[in-house]
Amino acid sequence: GEDVEQSLFLSVREGDSSVINCTYTDSSSTYLYWYKQEPGAGLQLLTYIFSNMDMKQDQRLTVLLNKKDKHLSLRIADTQTGDSAIYFCAETGRGFKTIFGAGTRLFVKA
Amino acid sequence: NAGVMQNPRHLVRRRGQEARLRCSPMKGHSHVYWYRQLPEEGLKFMVYLQKENIIDESGMPKERFSAEFPKEGPSILRIQQVVRGDSAAYFCASSPTGAVNTEAFFGQGTRLTVV
Repeated sequence: GEDVEQSLFLSVREGDSSVINCTYTDSSSTYLYWYKQEPGAGLQLLTYIFSNMDMKQDQRLTVLLNKKDKHLSLRIADTQTGDSAIYFCAETGRGFKTIFGAGTRLFVKA
Repeated sequence: NAGVMQNPRHLVRRRGQEARLRCSPMKGHSHVYWYRQLPEEGLKFMVYLQKENIIDESGMPKERFSAEFPKEGPSILRIQQVVRGDSAAYFCASSPTGAVNTEAFFGQGTRLTVV
């Protein structure tokens, strides 16, 4: 079945770049997403990328997609303490289900 | 245009009671999805409904759980005879169509605690 995997923790210093990685198994993935969840809050869609794209940039966020290796990454430039949260990678393939990874907990040290 | 509204935000139930979670989709959205997030885990798909129809309930536990999306009113996720293991955050998402190229918008979730 479809699966999405992410590392569980990432710790960076304020001002550094953060790179969160994700791998997925569904070769029919059409849309790939990054969501942010702050403590006790719902999901906030940060950005998404179509599977026919390699890269998407949106202000401090850069998404890279390697479709051959089924690898997705999210780079946050100039990471701030307010970026501390859980980041979920997700994909939608055949049909309508969105499959989520377990989330990467980003800790930003001042 | 209000987003996806879920209520209550927090729900406490004793073991054996029933829990009812409500989800009002965004205006114009007729497709609703329910997800469950267990502590320290990602979201797991439970059920997909379109007005008055269950399209896919492959992620729903076979017993005690049911979902509906009536013609009028919110979608309801119902958990009968709750157990401690049902404690989780339940998220609802809605989309205007069920096509794969539609992004779903998520609600803030209902956090169920079973004591």
